[in-house]
Amino acid sequence: KAGVTQTPRYLIKTRGQQVTLSCSPISGHRSVSWYQQTPGQGLQFLFEYFSETQRNKGNFPGRFSGRQFSNSRSEMNVSTLELGDSALYLCASSGGHNLMNTEAFFGQGTRLTVV
Amino acid sequence: AQKITQTQPGMFVQEKEAVTLDCTYDTSDQSYGLFWYKQPSSGEMIFLIYQGSYDEQNATEGRYSLNFQKARKSANLVISASQLGDSAMYFCAMRPNTGNQFYFGTGTSLTVIP
Repeated sequence: KAGVTQTPRYLIKTRGQQVTLSCSPISGHRSVSWYQQTPGQGLQFLFEYFSETQRNKGNFPGRFSGRQFSNSRSEMNVSTLELGDSALYLCASSGGHNLMNTEAFFGQGTRLTVV
Repeated sequence: AQKITQTQPGMFVQEKEAVTLDCTYDTSDQSYGLFWYKQPSSGEMIFLIYQGSYDEQNATEGRYSLNFQKARKSANLVISASQLGDSAMYFCAMRPNTGNQFYFGTGTSLTVIP
C-alpha cells in the first residue's frame, strides 16, 4: 500500500512568484490537511479538504489556497511569494468521514525556499 | 481552544534505556485522538502511535506505548529499549474527531547516546 506522496520534494522560488504543491493521499483516504512548519512558528494548520470540499481553514492570508480533486489528490497554491513563506509544507492523509479510531499519515513534505 | 504542551525541548537517553516524553493537552472536545509522530532531520513526519479519547487501555505499538491519563489530560510517550535510530524530534498532537485538523506541541528533541 503506497504512502502519502508529496511533490516536489524541494523547490526554490523567487519573491513574487507563485507555487503549487501536490499531495496524493493513501488510497481510499478522503481527507487531506496541509501544514506549514517553520523553526519560529512550529507546525501550523493551513486547511483541510474532504471529498473535494474545504472543511476547515487556518489563519493564513488569502495568498494560500487549495483544492481537492475527485481522486482525493490535493494541491495547495501560494501566490505572490514572500521570504517568510520559506518552510516545510506537510500534508496529512486520513480515512473516512468518521475519524474516530483512525490513524493519519503524513507525506515527506515539500521544502520551499523563497529567495 | 486547543493547546498541546511539550515541556521538554531536549532529552538525552542512554542506548537500551527507556525514556518518557511528556505531553499535556487542553481541549473542550469530548471526542478526540492523540498522536505521536517522529520527525527525523529528513523532515518526514512518521506516525508512531494513536490513542482515542474513549479508549480505556493505553495504546502500544512495538517499543512505543502511550501513557494516557484522561483526567490529567496527559498523553506521555514511552520508548523502551532506545536505539540510536530513535534520535529525532518527537511531536505530540491532538485531533478533534470533527475533522482532520491537528494541533501540535512544540516538539521534543531526543538524542540517544551510545
